[in-house]
Amino acid sequence: NAGVTQTPKFRVLKTGQSMTLLCAQDMNHEYMYWYRQDPGMGLRLIHYSVGEGTTAKGEVPDGYNVSRLKKQNFLLGLESAAPSQTSVYFCASRLSGRAAGANVLTFGAGSRLTVL
Amino acid sequence: GEDVEQSLFLSVREGDSSVINCTYTDSSSTYLYWYKQEPGAGLQLLTYIFSNMDMKQDQRLTVLLNKKDKHLSLRIADTQTGDSAIYFCAESIRGTGGFKTIFGAGTRLFVKA
Repeated sequence: NAGVTQTPKFRVLKTGQSMTLLCAQDMNHEYMYWYRQDPGMGLRLIHYSVGEGTTAKGEVPDGYNVSRLKKQNFLLGLESAAPSQTSVYFCASRLSGRAAGANVLTFGAGSRLTVL
Repeated sequence: GEDVEQSLFLSVREGDSSVINCTYTDSSSTYLYWYKQEPGAGLQLLTYIFSNMDMKQDQRLTVLLNKKDKHLSLRIADTQTGDSAIYFCAESIRGTGGFKTIFGAGTRLFVKA
C-alpha cells in the first residue's frame, strides 16, 4: 500500500502564481488534513475534511483553498502565492471514530514549496 | 484555547535517558500523542496515551500524563544515535468541523556519541 502520497515533492513559484498540491490516500480514510511546517512553529493546521464533499478551516486557512471531491483525494490550492507561504506542506489522513487507533494520523512525505 | 507547548531542543549523550516535556491547554483532550519526524520525512506515530491513564510503557518509551497540570512527558531509555529526530507532542480535540489534531512546535533531540 502506498499510504499517503503527495505531489509534487518540490515546487518553486513566483509571487502571484497559483498552484495545487495533491494528496491521495489509499486506506479508505474518512478524515484528511493539510498542515504546514515552519521552523520553530511546528505543524499548523490549514484546512481539514471529515468526508467527501466537506471541508473546514484550521488554524491558518487564509490564502489557501481546499477541495475534497473524491474520498481518496484532498487538494490544497494557492490562488496567489506569497513569500509567506514558503513552507513544507504535509497531508495526513485517518479513519473516523472516537477510538485512539482511529485518531492516529498517517502522514505523507511532504511537499516543499518556495515562493520567490 | 488550543495550544500545545514544548521546548525546542534537547541534547543527551548516547546511553543516557531523554525526557521531553509538553504542556497543553485543552482539558477536553481524550488522547495525547507523541510523533517522531526523521530528516526529510513525514511524521510517524511513536505512542499515545488515553486521558484517563497516568502512565504508559512501551519498550524503551515511557509516557507520563499529569492531567491536573496538563503536562505530558516522553522518556526514552538508553537513548541511541538513531533516536535523533524531532519529537512532536499532539492532542486530539473536537473542532467545529470534526476531530482535529493540534501539534506542538516539536523538540529536536540531539544524541551525542
